[in-house]
Amino acid sequence: QQQVKQSPQSLIVQKGGISIINCAYENTAFDYFPWYQQFPGKGPALLIAIRPDVSEKKEGRFTISFNKSAKQFSLHIMDSQPGDSATYFCAANNQAGTALIFGKGTTLSVSS
Amino acid sequence: DVKVTQSSRYLVKRTGEKVFLECVQDMDHENMFWYRQDPGLGLRLIYFSYDVKMKEKGDIPEGYSVSREKKERFSLILESASTNQTSMYLCASSLPGTGSYEQYFGPGTRLTVT
Repeated sequence: QQQVKQSPQSLIVQKGGISIINCAYENTAFDYFPWYQQFPGKGPALLIAIRPDVSEKKEGRFTISFNKSAKQFSLHIMDSQPGDSATYFCAANNQAGTALIFGKGTTLSVSS
Repeated sequence: DVKVTQSSRYLVKRTGEKVFLECVQDMDHENMFWYRQDPGLGLRLIYFSYDVKMKEKGDIPEGYSVSREKKERFSLILESASTNQTSMYLCASSLPGTGSYEQYFGPGTRLTVT
């Protein structure tokens, strides 16, 4: 109930390609779904977030797609660049709404 | 510019030592968090605090304690360090209320227990 399942664990994409990372959750009480990006040697930083009242949110090359009925959400990175190479974490707020539950992370490598 | 700082980037301690990890934020945030990050396991919440002197256990509190005497400072304490506590430790802070606010992370402390 409290888990957020993320896949794949690692991803290699060619420069200019589309990177897709998926997450699934069980708890229908979750109402906030952020994605965090982490570069080596740095702490994670918020990339983009969505609430379940919308099905898609786009910010530049980054898009979250949200499927409430399937309890799934995904991050799409269009025109992937080597500078996008990082670890990406999906998350959801916990049942009490006081903290975030993170997925296990996806390491993205964009090859030039 | 928002800032979360952690006292050490790298730390090496011996088994059985008492270890203090310090975190300071300058954003006047009520909420502060401690996570550990391990390969393949993601970020796991150890403890969080929503006010001075208030604390809540996260998913993996065993072997850890915390202290929050001032709003800007949140300390993680390993009472008796063990080798299975070798990890990257991340501190974060956010605005008060629900978990729907952006969390700002520090750069992390890589702790090695030998």
